[in-house]
Amino acid sequence: SQQGEEDPQALSIQEGENATMNCSYKTSINNLQWYRQNSGRGLVHLILIRSNEREKHSGRLRVTLDTSKKSSSLLITASRAADTASYFCASGGSNYKLTFGKGTLLTVNP
Amino acid sequence: EAQVTQNPRYLITVTGKKLTVTCSQNMNHEYMSWYRQDPGLGLRQIYYSMNVEVTDKGDVPEGYKVSRKEKRNFPLILESPSPNQTSLYFCASSLLGQNLEKLFFGSGTQLSVL
Repeated sequence: SQQGEEDPQALSIQEGENATMNCSYKTSINNLQWYRQNSGRGLVHLILIRSNEREKHSGRLRVTLDTSKKSSSLLITASRAADTASYFCASGGSNYKLTFGKGTLLTVNP
Repeated sequence: EAQVTQNPRYLITVTGKKLTVTCSQNMNHEYMSWYRQDPGLGLRQIYYSMNVEVTDKGDVPEGYKVSRKEKRNFPLILESPSPNQTSLYFCASSLLGQNLEKLFFGSGTQLSVL
């Protein structure tokens, strides 16, 4: 069954604004990952946060993890038109299984 | 260049005609997996393999077969395709390491079964 559920399903912003996407999961995890997908192409790994971490940064990306609420958020700062894509969270458990959510479609308007 | 290569990129077939989608990785990864992506359903795992000759079912294995005779290759076989298998398919690979910390994906295969 799907664990990660992203919210919102779609998000439209202007270039330069920040974009925040949320993810909820149902069972305990070892890590939570975020992936990006451009228009039907393969997913690309963006960032991973482990269950004992609360926040992580990578360039314009900031991810947080709240294990008590079983939720994570991905913040993209100073968005660009090239950030337009679908973003997926994937929860990693202890059984070598990654469960993907349904994704958030981000549109950044120039 | 480190990559996962899937072929073909597009495939149109008819019901019942056996087909194989190939997947190859050049990163010496132990773990390989197949997913299908459908609108509104996200990515669902079909089969995965943790090493040569070791395969297991994912969430939606019905109607599919896989094999892992070599570490680099993990073909997906549809013995008798049906229209409900029309989908976008992705192969992915990873080091086993600590709980699959990074999956590398192929570019996808868009399959249409008429």
